[in-house]
Amino acid sequence: NAGVTQTPKFQVLKTGQSMTLQCAQDMNHEYMSWYRQDPGMGLRLIHYSVGAGITDQGEVPNGYNVSRSTTEDFPLRLLSAAPSQTSVYFCASSYGGFRYNEQFFGPGTRLTVL
Amino acid sequence: SQKIEQNSEALNIQEGKTATLTCNYTNYSPAYLQWYRQDPGRGPVFLLLIRENEKEKRKERLKVTFDTTLKQSLFHITASQPADSATYLCAFPGDSGYSTLTFGKGTMLLVSP
Repeated sequence: NAGVTQTPKFQVLKTGQSMTLQCAQDMNHEYMSWYRQDPGMGLRLIHYSVGAGITDQGEVPNGYNVSRSTTEDFPLRLLSAAPSQTSVYFCASSYGGFRYNEQFFGPGTRLTVL
Repeated sequence: SQKIEQNSEALNIQEGKTATLTCNYTNYSPAYLQWYRQDPGRGPVFLLLIRENEKEKRKERLKVTFDTTLKQSLFHITASQPADSATYLCAFPGDSGYSTLTFGKGTMLLVSP
């Protein structure tokens, strides 16, 4: 199993550009989530999904969209990139509810917005 | 709202000693608590989950305690090794939405030979 994969590993955008961060898992996990990690801020939840077709907002959802059309994929879309979205983005999945099951994290995408 | 606190200062210890990391929380009574390890440039990796009625859980050289009275979890690594050097994160069930996790900011552990 590849686990949780994320692409790209690195990305540089100009302010106002849009892009999609890809996330896929091959463990048949129902629960998936997106976090951003900034120095001194820790991991903050952006959006999460508890199954195909079901998504919800986390702590910092503004400026991001998600969709979940399949169990395997959970892409994160930046609508109009801003310098404040410069961060490292992690996708994670778990077999059951996040609270009482381990989360499997991807390797991350380092995004810089100029 | 709930608050999770981990010591922001790095913990420096010598190889072979026991490392103890602290995670405190306020305004919440979580039923579960998780610990993760994160190496530079990588995603967090799950280590242990402890339930509120377990008080203590062990896995090889790792031990986690959960004191609901003190609102504190302690994470111990015995016989520490330089390879244990990493940032350790604690996480609790979030208070927004359902089935989410809220992470502490993490404490960096540096084990010197």
